[in-house]
Amino acid sequence: GAGVSQSPSNKVTEKGKDVELRCDPISGHTALYWYRQSLGQGLEFLIYFQGNSAPDKSGLPSDRFSAERTGGSVSTLTIQRTQQEDSAVYLCASSLGVHNTEAFFGQGTRLTVV
Amino acid sequence: AQSVTQLDSQVPVFEEAPVELRCNYSSSVSVYLFWYVQYPNQGLQLLLKYLSGSTLVKGINGFEAEFNKSQTSFHLRKPSVHISDTAEYFCAVSDGAGGFKTIFGAGTRLFVKA
Repeated sequence: GAGVSQSPSNKVTEKGKDVELRCDPISGHTALYWYRQSLGQGLEFLIYFQGNSAPDKSGLPSDRFSAERTGGSVSTLTIQRTQQEDSAVYLCASSLGVHNTEAFFGQGTRLTVV
Repeated sequence: AQSVTQLDSQVPVFEEAPVELRCNYSSSVSVYLFWYVQYPNQGLQLLLKYLSGSTLVKGINGFEAEFNKSQTSFHLRKPSVHISDTAEYFCAVSDGAGGFKTIFGAGTRLFVKA
C-alpha cells in the first residue's frame, strides 16, 4: 500500500476482554515497530520486528501483550485481559530496515478500555 | 542502551519569535538522530535527520538541528515560528547497539501564541 495502514482506527472494549490490533506496513519495508502513546505521554517503544523475527521485545509492558508478524508483512498486536491502563493510541511504523532511514507511521489505533 | 531525553515538556512562544527545543541522547556507539513532528490530530512525520557529515541539518518548514557529539545533543531550532508550527515534536535515536531500533523521547509540545 501507499502508507502504513492500521485497523481498527478506534476500538472500545470492556475490561478483561482480549483485543487484536493490526498493522499493514509499506510494501518492502522489513522493519516494523509498535509504539504506545498515552494521553500526555511520549512514545513508548513496545516491540521491533526485523522480517518475521522480533530481536527486541523489551518494551512489552506485561505478558498480557504479544505480537507476531507473518510473511514479513502484516503484524498483529494482541492484548489479553485488557485493563483500563491499556487505554492509549497504539502506533505502528515501518522502515526499510536499515538504521539511517526514516520510520513511516500509521494513523494509529485508539484503544479505550471501559 | 540508547536513550533520549527531551528537556522541556512544553514550550510556549509568541509568533515570529525564535525557538529551541532541546534533545539529549545517550549511546555507546555512533548514532543516527531524527526529529519528528505530530500536528494536532495527525500522524507523525519526519522533520529532519542526521546521519553523518555536516553537523547542521536543515529540515522542512524552516527547522534546523545541530548535532553536537561532545555534548550528546541534537537541539531543534527555528528563527521565527508561525502559529502553524504548534505541534508535538519528538526527538529519536537509532544505533547499532540497539539493533537499529528507533527510540523516541517523551516529546515537547510547542505552543505558538499570536
